[in-house]
Amino acid sequence: AQSVTQPDIHITVSEGASLELRCNYSYGATPYLFWYVQSPGQGLQLLLKYFSGDTLVQGIKGFEAEFKRSQSSFNLRKPSVHWSDAAEYFCAVGANNAGNMLTFGGGTRLMVKP
Amino acid sequence: NAGVTQTPKFQVLKTGQSMTLQCAQDMNHEYMSWYRQDPGMGLRLIHYSVGAGITDQGEVPNGYNVSRSTTEDFPLRLLSAAPSQTSVYFCASSYRAGGREKLFFGSGTQLSVL
Repeated sequence: AQSVTQPDIHITVSEGASLELRCNYSYGATPYLFWYVQSPGQGLQLLLKYFSGDTLVQGIKGFEAEFKRSQSSFNLRKPSVHWSDAAEYFCAVGANNAGNMLTFGGGTRLMVKP
Repeated sequence: NAGVTQTPKFQVLKTGQSMTLQCAQDMNHEYMSWYRQDPGMGLRLIHYSVGAGITDQGEVPNGYNVSRSTTEDFPLRLLSAAPSQTSVYFCASSYRAGGREKLFFGSGTQLSVL
């Protein structure tokens, strides 16, 4: 069975600083990898996804993520954080089956200092 | 388009009471699912459906029932609520089943069981 670990429960960065959120996964085959963002009181919104091909993927809101098979990682990055990026971020891995059973990490809550 | 609509947004139950959480989508999505979100544990899949008349269990199905009589609706039933079911519940749908698919989430139902 697949699993996802997000080592950082909380991260605080200053507005304008760069950001990297860590994600490590465990899955026996080539994974389908996702980053979702959850703003307070809202559902989750897809930021970006990786299936195959170029290991650096671009998403919405200026986010990118890099798939590193050797490290089983899919870290999310942004060069310059905005106050509106404060939210909870979830990494997820999708199994290659019809059940669409995404497995989510525990989430990282991002706080942005002015 | 309303997307994925969940009702109610908040609910307080007493132990042993029953209730149904409603979920409806207007995107003609084949796949629908229910997740629960608990602090530090990310989202865990409760039940899912790959089409009308077809449902299956996810990671944490005990204490919950579902049915899918139409493409649009996927209600989640708690037959006898327990304090352990205090959580935030999200309904999500996608065009097709499969680990590659983007999920569209409702805004959630916050449930407290006393």
